[in-house]
Formats: sequence, C-alpha cells, structure tokens
Amino acid sequence: AQSVSQHNHHVILSEAASLELGCNYSYGGTVNLFWYVQYPGQHLQLLLKYFSGDPLVKGIKGFEAEFIKSKFSFNLRKPSVQWSDTAEYFCAVNRGGSQGNLIFGKGTKLSVKP
Amino acid sequence: GAGVSQSPSNKVTEKGKDVELRCDPISGHTALYWYRQSLGQGLEFLIYFQGNSAPDKSGLPSDRFSAERTGGSVSTLTIQRTQQEDSAVYLCASSLGGITDTQYFGPGTRLTVL
Repeated sequence: AQSVSQHNHHVILSEAASLELGCNYSYGGTVNLFWYVQYPGQHLQLLLKYFSGDPLVKGIKGFEAEFIKSKFSFNLRKPSVQWSDTAEYFCAVNRGGSQGNLIFGKGTKLSVKP
Repeated sequence: GAGVSQSPSNKVTEKGKDVELRCDPISGHTALYWYRQSLGQGLEFLIYFQGNSAPDKSGLPSDRFSAERTGGSVSTLTIQRTQQEDSAVYLCASSLGGITDTQYFGPGTRLTVL
C-alpha cells in the first residue's frame, strides 16, 4: 500500500536556524505532492504543492520543497525559521489519475525557540 | 469568504450510540473529503465525493461508518454503534475537483466516545 514517511516526529530549533523536514513516499507511479501546516488552534492549510514542472517549488511564508523523483522524496525547507513557524507540518501525496484523496505522513511538530 | 464549516465542534457520546457529523463545503466546490485525525494514526482518508459520481468509500474502517452528500453540497458522516476507538477529530475538506486542486480543510469535529 502507498505510504508517506516523515522521519522526524519533533524538531526543536532556535530562531534564524535553517529547517529541513524529510518526506518520502512509497508509490512508484505519477504522484502529486503537498505540504500542509497546522498552526496551534487553526485549520490545516496548504503550504505548497507539486504536480509538474520545476521540481523546486516555492510556497507561502518563505517555505520551499524539492521533488527528487529518484529518491521518492519531497523535503520541506526554510532558510531561517521564526517563532511563528511553530506548528505541525504534514506531507501528503495523491496519485496521478482520478484518486483525489490525500495520503498523509504522521506529521512533524516544529517548535521554534525565540 | 466563507471556508469549510463543520458541526458540532465537539461531540461526547456513550459507547453504542449513533452520531452524525456535518460538513458544509465551500460554495462551488465539487469535491468533498472526510478524513480523521487520531493520536498514533495520523490523518486517515475516509470517503471522497466528486460531483454526481459514486463516492469512493475505500477508506471507511468498518460498515458502521457511512456518509452522504445531499444536493452536491452538505455532507453528513454517520457512525453507528460508536466504539471508543472511534474517538478522533473528524476533518472535512473540499476542493474544485481536480486532483491537483488544493483541498481546504474545516476546523474538525472532536468526537469522544466514553
């Protein structure tokens, strides 16, 4: 079965540190890739997505992610985190074709110390 | 504009009772998804409605779970004979219908089964 792995359960950083959150998926066919974020007390919202074209995708709030097909990876990065980035981050995949439902990783909680 | 809304926000019920959870998608969105978020299991897909097509029920964990979508808009998720393992946050999302379209999530219904 298709799965999504997020390697870090909880990441703690100081402000201005660089961030990279890992995401790997298991499906070998065409996939669409998403990163969602859930700030404390708020809804899940989309950070960025990739479905074709330039494998380096830029999203909101200075986040970016790179799709590396050979590694089945879609890691999320930010060069300098802020306290306001404290949230839970979810990587998700759906398959090319007609299946729109998302398969999520278990999430990575990011805590940024001021 | 109005986002996805869900009601109730919290529901406490006794084991064995039936519950109904409601989702109002964003107007004009043809696709509607139900997920559930529980400790240890992360975010799991439950069911997917796309326009007038038959729903994709492949994520429903048992036949105690069912959902309907009336008039292509509001959806109700019903859990019959609730069990303690049904305790979770039930999330609804809607989108314009394409598999690369962003899914917009509601605030969720927190279900607690005593």
